[in-house]
Amino acid sequence: GAVVSQHPSRVICKSGTSVKIECRSLDFQATTMFWYRQFPKQSLMLMATSNEGSKATYEQGVEKDKFLINHASLTLSTLTVTSAHPEDSSFYICSASFLGGRETQYFGPGTRLLVL
Amino acid sequence: AQSVTQPDIHITVSEGASLELRCNYSYGATPYLFWYVQSPGQGLQLLLKYFSGDTLVQGIKGFEAEFKRSQSSFNLRKPSVHWSDAAEYFCAVGGLTGGGNKLTFGTGTQLKVEL
Repeated sequence: GAVVSQHPSRVICKSGTSVKIECRSLDFQATTMFWYRQFPKQSLMLMATSNEGSKATYEQGVEKDKFLINHASLTLSTLTVTSAHPEDSSFYICSASFLGGRETQYFGPGTRLLVL
Repeated sequence: AQSVTQPDIHITVSEGASLELRCNYSYGATPYLFWYVQSPGQGLQLLLKYFSGDTLVQGIKGFEAEFKRSQSSFNLRKPSVHWSDAAEYFCAVGGLTGGGNKLTFGTGTQLKVEL
């Protein structure tokens, strides 16, 4: 149980284009979803927290206009990297938790973004 | 503010040997503690978690961890390591803070297993 999927697993795009990454909870209703960014051989950096039907809460230093997060349903959240640049290349991981799940986050497999 | 320290960046053990990965945390109240494992290019898999009760927690894949409040530690152990255990291990702390149920991760420990 508590499976989270992400799509796509890898994406290559040209500089200036926008990329959308989907995060789905497959067998539970995710009241909260989180988006992380991970640089090579580093830990996870929380970008934002989103609750279903509410605006996302962004961490300090994360540009909300660049990283658009939508959590339209209890099983789907999307992260859109707008006007992507090479410095946005990274590994993006989502996680989800549910009410009563006692803070446990279940992680997706991650999306590798390469901006050329 | 909560924080997590994993003092060992890299650890190498022989297959069949015992393993202990260290984790120290700083948190103002009773923490929720987690260990996750990440294989290359993959997401994180939950190994085990501690919320309350018995301080020795059993997880998947033969791992266990012990919560020691006096030492602010939550070390991960395995009595006999398998080659497939080679991966990155992250300790994390969370709880009901003003920021909701956010997790704070340590910097990770890279485990290498020698055959």
